[in-house]
Amino acid sequence: DTGVSQNPRHKITKRGQNVTFRCDPISEHNRLYWYRQTLGQGPEFLTYFQNEAQLEKSRLLSDRFSAERPKGSFSTLEIQRTEQGDSAMYLCASSTSGDRGPTGGREQFFGPGTRLTVL
Amino acid sequence: LAKTTQPISMDSYEGQEVNITCSHNNIATNDYITWYQQFPSQGPRFIIQGYKTKVTNEVASLFIPADRKSSTLSLPRVSLSDTAVYYCLVGDGYSNYQLIWGAGTKLIIKP
Repeated sequence: DTGVSQNPRHKITKRGQNVTFRCDPISEHNRLYWYRQTLGQGPEFLTYFQNEAQLEKSRLLSDRFSAERPKGSFSTLEIQRTEQGDSAMYLCASSTSGDRGPTGGREQFFGPGTRLTVL
Repeated sequence: LAKTTQPISMDSYEGQEVNITCSHNNIATNDYITWYQQFPSQGPRFIIQGYKTKVTNEVASLFIPADRKSSTLSLPRVSLSDTAVYYCLVGDGYSNYQLIWGAGTKLIIKP
């Protein structure tokens, strides 16, 4: 396994359109995380899964954002009715599950990200 | 949500020891404190994590006081290649499931 992969790497869309991103985690990892990062800022937590179960979603996240991990393997993040403020790098990470807490005490391995530009 | 505070930037010289502190309030009592490194146009990369006291690995040490209201990343004998942004990551003490990243400390190493 070569690591976490994300597709597409770049996406340009017009305001109001829907977009979907895909993340393929490291195969033996059962935790999968989605983050958003804008220039000069730290990653912002969006949501995370343990296997197919979505354990938490950011309280600050708009209802326009939804994520799935239907079979506990790859995950998709959809943004509906995109806005210019959605322009950012969307990062996916995966890890094995630990024994406690949201990080589970496990190292997260990050993909290269999908850069979204909303015109 | 828990809050974290890190210095925005730091400068140092090759061969020096660098300490970066993150203050964090209301973090999850059952979760680790983790530090990541990020280079431009790349995802963050794990450096070290700990629960309390001191942890050391081949690249860094992490000091966590008993009250867990802060943590200090120590990089011994830095080199130019350590120029990067460093983030602390904690679990939120209110929700117990949300993850809170610091805003990052941009470390610049000079020759």
